[in-house]
Amino acid sequence: DTAVSQTPKYLVTQMGNDKSIKCEQNLGHDTMYWYKQDSKKFLKIMFSYNNKELIINETVPNRFSPKSPDKAHLNLHINSLELGDSAVYFCASSHSPRGALRNTEAFFGQGTRLTVV
Amino acid sequence: AQSVTQLGSHVSVSEGALVLLRCNYSSSVPPYLFWYVQYPNQGLQLLLKYTTGATLVKGINGFEAEFKKSETSFHLTKPSAHMSDAAEYFCAVRPYTNAGKSTFGDGTTLTVKP
Repeated sequence: DTAVSQTPKYLVTQMGNDKSIKCEQNLGHDTMYWYKQDSKKFLKIMFSYNNKELIINETVPNRFSPKSPDKAHLNLHINSLELGDSAVYFCASSHSPRGALRNTEAFFGQGTRLTVV
Repeated sequence: AQSVTQLGSHVSVSEGALVLLRCNYSSSVPPYLFWYVQYPNQGLQLLLKYTTGATLVKGINGFEAEFKKSETSFHLTKPSAHMSDAAEYFCAVRPYTNAGKSTFGDGTTLTVKP
């Protein structure tokens, strides 16, 4: 049973297209995250949702829009894709950073390698 | 605000040698500290973490790390490297307050030579 699953694993698309990446977790967590890992493997947080509420929204182009239909899902939609969007995008989940279990770690998905051509 | 510095973007050791990966952090409040490992084409997996209590923490695969508040360090060690340890290692810090945001270091690539 995969704890945090992302689809698709690979995504190749042309500049200007709109694409979505889906993420689902079955760990019972109430907080989910999107991270971007660039070609140098630097990992930066993009967004975080806690109980479907956006709690972290880093400086990310507004072409990126997260959507959390419920606690177990956090999708990432990207409009008007650009070459610089090419990266690996990781979804992660954890217990709430505000609760008694805030000292627990995040669990990561396998990543989605996005290539914009 | 918090930050993480991993000294050495690439570390190379021989099989059987000591592994030492360095991590220094800054945090305005007491931190939670984590080490994650990333194998090629995989997501990040937790190796170990420090939250409170004992400052020497043991993790999976024989790794351990020691939280040294005076040195603001959380270095990762393993007495004897194995070929399977070759991977990317990330140190992360998160404040114990409810901010919830983890900050990751830039990563250290560990190479293990036969």
